[in-house]
Amino acid sequence: EVQLVESGGSLVQPGGSLRLSCAASGFTFSSYEMNWVRQSPGKGLEWISYIRFSGDIKYYADSVKGRFIISRDNAKNTMYLLMSSLTVEDTAVYYCARDRWFGESQAFDIWGQGTMVTVSS
Amino acid sequence: AIQLTQSPSSLSASVGDRVTITCRASQGISSALAWYQQKPGKAPKLLIYGATNLDSGVPSRFSGSGSGTDFTLIISSLQPEDFAVYFCQHFNSYPVTFGGGTNVEIK
Repeated sequence: EVQLVESGGSLVQPGGSLRLSCAASGFTFSSYEMNWVRQSPGKGLEWISYIRFSGDIKYYADSVKGRFIISRDNAKNTMYLLMSSLTVEDTAVYYCARDRWFGESQAFDIWGQGTMVTVSS
Repeated sequence: AIQLTQSPSSLSASVGDRVTITCRASQGISSALAWYQQKPGKAPKLLIYGATNLDSGVPSRFSGSGSGTDFTLIISSLQPEDFAVYFCQHFNSYPVTFGGGTNVEIK
């Protein structure tokens, strides 16, 4: 079964750091670009980061640039998001999502169940 | 960054109704648009990619149209399991932003 499972979410104080993981199974992880998307409570979806197959190209939303670092370990079929200088505005459910190409079209076709990050004192 | 504006933000409909949701991009994005469905407490589910193409296993009552700046998601006959929030997302360039969502509620 094709699956993504996030972990690492927790309660953290403002200014703190946290590392999220996204474990992939059921597909050839190294063949897919991957992304992190977050959703604040009761709000919409916000794309926050992308990483290419080998990890050589990475993109970030302005809201997290300079504070978050995306990485992947293809040998472990796992993607990571290292978050630092956290603020209350970073409180959200964090999803990892597989980036799939359908010919010339693109979409996030597989999503994890999400992991909750709460930033509060 | 390209902005996506969805309308309406919410709607009430009955089972069997035809439902139309629109998504407008702040600049042309060709057909680089996807639609997702999200139910409470669950991750989004891909419905449509490339503006018009149904993902595998998605019921045929869902359809997508449009290109450039104006896009539409249509549910031809609303079913009980379709009550959810729907989001559009563009893939023209990074950042790949989402629309604000449309909450489809039971009338």
